[in-house]
Amino acid sequence: DAKTTQPNSMESNEEEPVHLPCNHSTISGTDYIHWYRQLPSQGPEYVIHGLTSNVNNRMASLAIAEDRKSSTLILHRATLRDAAVYYCILRDPMVNRDDKIIFGKGTRLHILP
Amino acid sequence: DTGVSQDPRHKITKRGQNVTFRCDPISEHNRLYWYRQTLGQGPEFLTYFQNEAQLEKSRLLSDRFSAERPKGSFSTLEIQRTEQGDSAMYLCASERTPTDTQYFGPGTRLTVL
Repeated sequence: DAKTTQPNSMESNEEEPVHLPCNHSTISGTDYIHWYRQLPSQGPEYVIHGLTSNVNNRMASLAIAEDRKSSTLILHRATLRDAAVYYCILRDPMVNRDDKIIFGKGTRLHILP
Repeated sequence: DTGVSQDPRHKITKRGQNVTFRCDPISEHNRLYWYRQTLGQGPEFLTYFQNEAQLEKSRLLSDRFSAERPKGSFSTLEIQRTEQGDSAMYLCASERTPTDTQYFGPGTRLTVL
């Protein structure tokens, strides 16, 4: 079973920031928090990941709670192309482990023009 | 390199027929994963390879399913005696050990009539 909990869906207006929450209360010390998103009719694509500190890249920002039991993916200025299903995932990158991704149902993000 | 590719993108078949899908991973990636995704659900892990060795198979992978990765390059997923319940999107992903980012292909959508 997925070790994360996300809202089923969210809605946001175009050109406004979006905050997508994720709860992972059973996170272990070596789990990284990853976000993937899946655009319609495409495979999932990597968005961002982090361990403890907040992270920024060209796609998004990841804010991680101090106790690491929750995190928030931030899209600073949503566009219609950001409409997708967003998956929050925990992964432990130890070498020689299977490291398969266990997906939940994710959050379906709707962007209103 | 243009990423993970999958062929075909769509396959329609009649119940009882055999089908084979191909995945070409990113060239230097040692690990290759197969996932299955049904409507409204996140992808579910099926199996994975490290180089040419198949190291784990999900219980979702019945004996009608077989996967190979000869020479540790491309991989094939064959489904024998297809059933309507096999209708799904079949996704392939690859990653370079020991990094922790999987790159997904566009998927093969299978429809069994």
